[in-house]
Amino acid sequence: QMQLVQSGPEVKKPGTSVMVSCKASGFTFINSAVHWVRQARGQHLEWMGWIVVGSGNTGYAQKFQERVTITRDKSTSTAYMELRNLRSEDTAVYYCSAGARDYCVSTNCYPRGVSDYYYYMDAWGKGTTVTVSS
Amino acid sequence: QSALTQPAYVSGSPGQSITISCTGTNSDVGTYNLVSWYQQHPGKVPKFIIYEVSKRPSGVSDRFSGSKSGNTASLTISGLQAEDEADYYCCSYTGRHFLFGGGTKVTVL
Repeated sequence: QMQLVQSGPEVKKPGTSVMVSCKASGFTFINSAVHWVRQARGQHLEWMGWIVVGSGNTGYAQKFQERVTITRDKSTSTAYMELRNLRSEDTAVYYCSAGARDYCVSTNCYPRGVSDYYYYMDAWGKGTTVTVSS
Repeated sequence: QSALTQPAYVSGSPGQSITISCTGTNSDVGTYNLVSWYQQHPGKVPKFIIYEVSKRPSGVSDRFSGSKSGNTASLTISGLQAEDEADYYCCSYTGRHFLFGGGTKVTVL
């Protein structure tokens, strides 16, 4: 089934950067979009940005525009989110999620059946905890 | 941009139906049918339950349904069950970005 495996927890000092990775399997990566969403403890989900894997086009929430970069490596089916100039308020769980055209079982892929799949967060990674503390 | 507006809490008894509203503006919910809903149990990863306002991904219970009127989208849970106790988030495309709602905690009495 569709699976996203994220990198491990990070502890960072204010002013530094963090990069979180998200390795995809179980769907055709090139026919997908990957979103990054964060959630501070006890708070709501917050959309940060996305990348359309095939084209490489990205979009970022205005709040993060100056500090975040999302990239992807098609050869390894991995997406990355870098957040710079970290502050204590960036302490949160960071999720990657994906909307894809299909899902794959072994070598067979089947339509996921979700129209406009780029615009939805279908599969989710387990989250990466980023703690920013001096 | 501010989050979409959801009620903080909604409750119901087992077997009842409840509805969660999600109010945006004519720049997001009012213009685009690209509205989705997510369920999140405590300490768990969000789960995709509704897309394109009212469609269900395969495997999602038909007790979940969605609708939209003007700038407000709604999620209805019918035949409420104990396992439905969770946080629910709406999300809308805004033309360039996405906005989540502030979340609604559903309690089964």
